[in-house]
Order: sequence, then structure tokens, then C-alpha cells
Amino acid sequence: EVQLVESGGGLVQPGGSLRLSCAASGFTFSSYAMSWVRQAPGKGLEWVSTISGGGGSTYYADSVKGRFAISRDNSKNTLSLHMNSLRADDTAVYYCARDGSGSPNWGQGTLVTVSS
Amino acid sequence: NFMLTQPHSVSESPGKTVTISCTRSSGSIASNYVQWYQQRPGSAPTTVIYEDNQRPSGVPDRFSGSIDSSSNSASLTISGLKTEDEADYYCQSYDSSNQRVFGGGTKLTVL
Repeated sequence: EVQLVESGGGLVQPGGSLRLSCAASGFTFSSYAMSWVRQAPGKGLEWVSTISGGGGSTYYADSVKGRFAISRDNSKNTLSLHMNSLRADDTAVYYCARDGSGSPNWGQGTLVTVSS
Repeated sequence: NFMLTQPHSVSESPGKTVTISCTRSSGSIASNYVQWYQQRPGSAPTTVIYEDNQRPSGVPDRFSGSIDSSSNSASLTISGLKTEDEADYYCQSYDSSNQRVFGGGTKLTVL
């Protein structure tokens, strides 16, 4: 069974940094691109970033480009999102999701709140 | 880049059939697969349709997906509506760089 478990969310001040992690199991992690998707309170889903299976290609939404960095450790089946210069409008539940062929899978999400 | 447009809300009675549309603003709807996600209040999204018309295991066959090139849109059809189907539904496709593009979501009310 595919499982994606996010962690690392919390309360951070504007301008601060946070690192999210996603532990994957139940599939060959290195064979799949992975994404982060967020959802602000009461809003829809917003794609944030994607990384290829080998980690060599990364993509970012314009809203986070230059502030967020996606990475993965295929030896540990872990996906990460390093978030810097956080703003109030980054407040959201952050989901990791599996891309590629077959049914996409989602984690349960981790809440990031940016507030002073 | 393109946009995916969904109706803000739809409503229907239990036992009936409802169809939610997802219209692509530019480029062909057939050029990239469309996925549909269900999100109940307070829960993470789950996949109900992937690759235009495929159902993950465990999703009832009351859920079906299709694409229509003439209207450049995808559709999610739910038949035999149940109160448990009440949720937000999102369509999603990929752009030329394989980045996800989401529709704005449709709130389904079963009353």
C-alpha cells in the first residue's frame, strides 16, 4: 500500500524558514516524480513544486520561485521542501503527492502557519 | 500556460446523476491526462479518476471520467448519488513541462 506521510509544519514568523518532509513507502520511490501541493484556508488546491524521479529536474510555481527548494533522498525514500522568506500568504496545508503513471497518491498534509 | 475552469457548485438529489465539467482554456484537452480528486471537509484529497477515465481500486463504478475534444473539456460523472459523495471535486492536468494545473474546484451538494 502506498503511504505518504508529511511532517515539519508549524507556526513560523514572516521572513522565517521551515523544512517539510514526506516519508514515502509502498512503491519504488526513485521511479516517480513527486510534487508538493498546498491549500490555503478555504481555498482550492495550488501546485507548488515538482521534482523528477532522479532529482535532476525541479520545477516551481512563480509564487514560490527563489524562496522554496524541493529535494529528495532516494536512499531514504524522503521528499523535502525547504521554505525560506515565508510570507503570510504561504499559510496553507502542504500535501506531498506522487506523480507519474498510475493513480496519484496524496499524503494527509501538514499545516504551515506564517504569522507574527 | 492554460487554465482549467470548473463550475463553482452543483447540486442534485440522492439517486440521481450529476456531471461536473472542466474546460481547458488553450491547447487540446486530449494532449495531457486529466485527473479528478475528491476532497471531503477536513480531509486530504483522494483520487477518483486518473488518466482521463481510469478508476483507482476501491472507487465505485458510479464514478466515471471522459474527455470531449469538441468542447475541449473533461467531465466527471457520478451516478446513483449518495450523501457521502458530497464533497469538493478538483480536476487537474499537466502543462508542457509536466507541472500540475488545477481547476478551481466544484462543491457538490447532495440534497
